[in-house]
Amino acid sequence: EAQVTQNPRYLITVTGKKLTVTCSQNMNHEYMSWYRQDPGLGLRQIYYSMNVEVTDKGDVPEGYKVSRKEKRNFPLILESPSPNQTSLYFCASSGGALINEQFFGPGTRLTVL
Amino acid sequence: GEDVEQSLFLSVREGDSSVINCTYTDSSSTYLYWYKQEPGAGLQLLTYIFSNMDMKQDQRLTVLLNKKDKHLSLRIADTQTGDSAIYFCAETENQGGKLIFGQGTELSVKP
Repeated sequence: EAQVTQNPRYLITVTGKKLTVTCSQNMNHEYMSWYRQDPGLGLRQIYYSMNVEVTDKGDVPEGYKVSRKEKRNFPLILESPSPNQTSLYFCASSGGALINEQFFGPGTRLTVL
Repeated sequence: GEDVEQSLFLSVREGDSSVINCTYTDSSSTYLYWYKQEPGAGLQLLTYIFSNMDMKQDQRLTVLLNKKDKHLSLRIADTQTGDSAIYFCAETENQGGKLIFGQGTELSVKP
């Protein structure tokens, strides 16, 4: 089944404790992206990757890192999480002619205390 | 920078038409999209329109684009309770991978 998976789905952590949210897709898509969703703000793009070893900042990259060492995986790294990073995070991928016909993962709900 | 604006709430009666509106600022947008998010789920692409089109129809969905006013709308005919969800419009900045979303419009359909 074609899908985008994220792990973990739920995470509660404390300020300053490094964490990684994994994202994997099995559709051989070149493009992958991370978003955060906050009430009243919609979705905001954090980082995106057009292909392996190519990453770019979205609208809100501060406090986040990403890597794209292989095509299927695009982990989101929070080196020193802070409470303002409490949010719902979505990973997405796309490989069609319309680059933004994206397939979304189920979301990761992160709480930073 | 680029901005996409939507009203936050819309309530309609089952069987009526719903019209969800969106305005954007980036005149170089190439594609504009409508996504649907059901409670507790991720986003799914509903439909899209290329910037050289005025209208696109897909079953119960009609997308209208007024490029001069930078206004996009989504009309859902014969709205059903299963259409209750949050609807996001989004636009692509040029040919790149950056996607700008609106805040989302929560559609509530009352029986």
